[in-house]
Amino acid sequence: EVQLVQSGAEVKKPGESLKISCKGSGYSFTSYWIGWVRQMPGKGLEWMGIIYPGDSDTRYSPSFQGQVTISADKSISTAYLQWSSLKASDTAMYYCARHPIGLDAFDIWGQGTMVTVSS
Amino acid sequence: DIQMTQSPSSLSASVGDRVTITCQASQDISNYLNWYQQKPGKAPKLLIYDASNLETGVPSRFSGSGSGTDFTFTISSLQPEDIATYYCQQYDNLPPTFGQGTKVEIK
Repeated sequence: EVQLVQSGAEVKKPGESLKISCKGSGYSFTSYWIGWVRQMPGKGLEWMGIIYPGDSDTRYSPSFQGQVTISADKSISTAYLQWSSLKASDTAMYYCARHPIGLDAFDIWGQGTMVTVSS
Repeated sequence: DIQMTQSPSSLSASVGDRVTITCQASQDISNYLNWYQQKPGKAPKLLIYDASNLETGVPSRFSGSGSGTDFTFTISSLQPEDIATYYCQQYDNLPPTFGQGTKVEIK
């Protein structure tokens, strides 16, 4: 079964760092892009960026460039989203999703990781 | 960024009704338009890609049409399990952008 399994919910304080993960299984991890999507509480979907684990080619939305870092470790089929200094406004659900080459869409989604930033 | 405007923001319909959602792009996006369904507390699910192509396993009561700037998503016969928020997404230009969503409820 093709699936993306994300790490669990996090509660952090402003200024702290965080790295959340997304592990792919059931397919060739290095042959598909992996993207990250933010959903703030009660709001819509925002495309953050995307990485190709095969060569670590990464693209960011201008809205998120410099605010987060997307990376991947192909040896363990895992993509990451990290913050160096969290803000309260980073409180949101974060989804990873698979993007096949040749299909301009996210066809498989992780279950989401809720990040809460509060003092 | 390309702006995607969905309408309506919410709708209430009866089981068996035909439901239509529209999505307008701020510029020509050809057919680079996807539709996703998000049920409460769940991750989004791809339903339609490239404006009109049904994703594998998606019921045929869902359909999409359009090109350029104007797109339509239709549920031909609303079912109770279709209660969800539906999002369009353009993939013509980076960054890909989503519409604000349309919440579908049962009357």
